[in-house]
Amino acid sequence: ETGVTQTPRHLVMGMTNKKSLKCEQHLGHNAMYWYKQSAKKPLELMFVYNFKEQTENNSVPSRFSPECPNSSHLFLHLHTLQPEDSALYLCASSQVTSRGNSPLHFGNGTRLTVT
Amino acid sequence: DAKTTQPPSMDCAEGRAANLPCNHSTISGNEYVYWYRQIHSQGPQYIIHGLKNNETNEMASLIITEDRKSSTLILPHATLRDTAVYYCIVRVGNTGNQFYFGTGTSLTVIP
Repeated sequence: ETGVTQTPRHLVMGMTNKKSLKCEQHLGHNAMYWYKQSAKKPLELMFVYNFKEQTENNSVPSRFSPECPNSSHLFLHLHTLQPEDSALYLCASSQVTSRGNSPLHFGNGTRLTVT
Repeated sequence: DAKTTQPPSMDCAEGRAANLPCNHSTISGNEYVYWYRQIHSQGPQYIIHGLKNNETNEMASLIITEDRKSSTLILPHATLRDTAVYYCIVRVGNTGNQFYFGTGTSLTVIP
């Protein structure tokens, strides 16, 4: 149990579908992140939310749309995906203070397959 | 871009110490070094972090050189469950929110 829960664990979707990934953290953190991990590639930082405000968007295509309704929940809305978007999508959280940033705590990810 | 360099793979005999090196020659004075590991099909797990002093916790020890250009993660008595990919990360960005992962070191603990 990492304190960060992601659902679903596995998702198969067609290129025309719309789906959402959900992340919930039970650690009282104020920052949340989406990472993408493709096969044999490093983790890629996609989005960062501080205090529910998006502070980073690392050139992610618009077919990925994040939503952070509160500091405990983070969504990644998916539409019109491509097969190359198949990957492990990881959510993480941390506590940001004036003195710095705590370590990231990751969920176990959603394995997404786009057919 | 990742600011660290690690060997792609290492082996270690079970029960022996595993020493995983990391180079971070462009590290800035206020940047911390973090170590994570990822076991197949799971999310990365935090291990330890440090600024300039050596650190130890229940999982590992972190040795940072005096010039801070490199560090070593030490697993004192490796077990088969320590087989994983180990990532060395330097936290970048003014907000400290940009954790960039490199390709890591794939550690295999051999019985």
